[in-house]
Amino acid sequence: LAKTTQPISMDSYEGQEVNITCSHNNIATNDYITWYQQFPSQGPRFIIQGYKTKVTNEVASLFIPADRKSSTLSLPRVSLSDTAVYYCLVGPMNTGFQKLVFGTGTRLLVSP
Amino acid sequence: DTAVSQTPKYLVTQMGNDKSIKCEQNLGHDTMYWYKQDSKKFLKIMFSYNNKELIINETVPNRFSPKSPDKAHLNLHINSLELGDSAVYFCASSPQGNYIQHEQYFGPGTRLTVT
Repeated sequence: LAKTTQPISMDSYEGQEVNITCSHNNIATNDYITWYQQFPSQGPRFIIQGYKTKVTNEVASLFIPADRKSSTLSLPRVSLSDTAVYYCLVGPMNTGFQKLVFGTGTRLLVSP
Repeated sequence: DTAVSQTPKYLVTQMGNDKSIKCEQNLGHDTMYWYKQDSKKFLKIMFSYNNKELIINETVPNRFSPKSPDKAHLNLHINSLELGDSAVYFCASSPQGNYIQHEQYFGPGTRLTVT
């Protein structure tokens, strides 16, 4: 499984755009990139997933360059409630079970 | 209409005791998981069941025994509890077939404290 590296923590202010970058230099051809969000005292929550280029949903955007060795989670106009830990995961496709490997995550603190 | 539920939410017990944590999902998913999140917030998979069959068993002491009576339930039994078992345990589930890869639905967690 590809190892991921992301900043331990980031600080931001309400209304700003936050970009969290994850490095995965040894990503395999059939690996997907997935981001999860975890609030204090809650289980992780799926945010977004991508394979290449750009993916956007109602919560975030995911930018993946052509070499796929990194990815950037973009959170537009963050609010206080976006304070959480964000995990970048890389793993292969499976039609059955999924063995997610969580790293240390990035602790995002949004201040007023 | 909770998707993935766990009971109890908090569990405080003494070393050497045997305890169980229950998990239920009403999403109709085929696969369920148990994760352990330690005090340093590292989240690691322990077990996975697909249609009541064990498919992932990470390096977990055999004091931990998952049991799946049906595909909507995956319970975790822990025998002879040790101090190091103190952690938050999360249950999760995922669908099978044409779905978003790696999208799992997590429960609220059970905080186990062994004294």
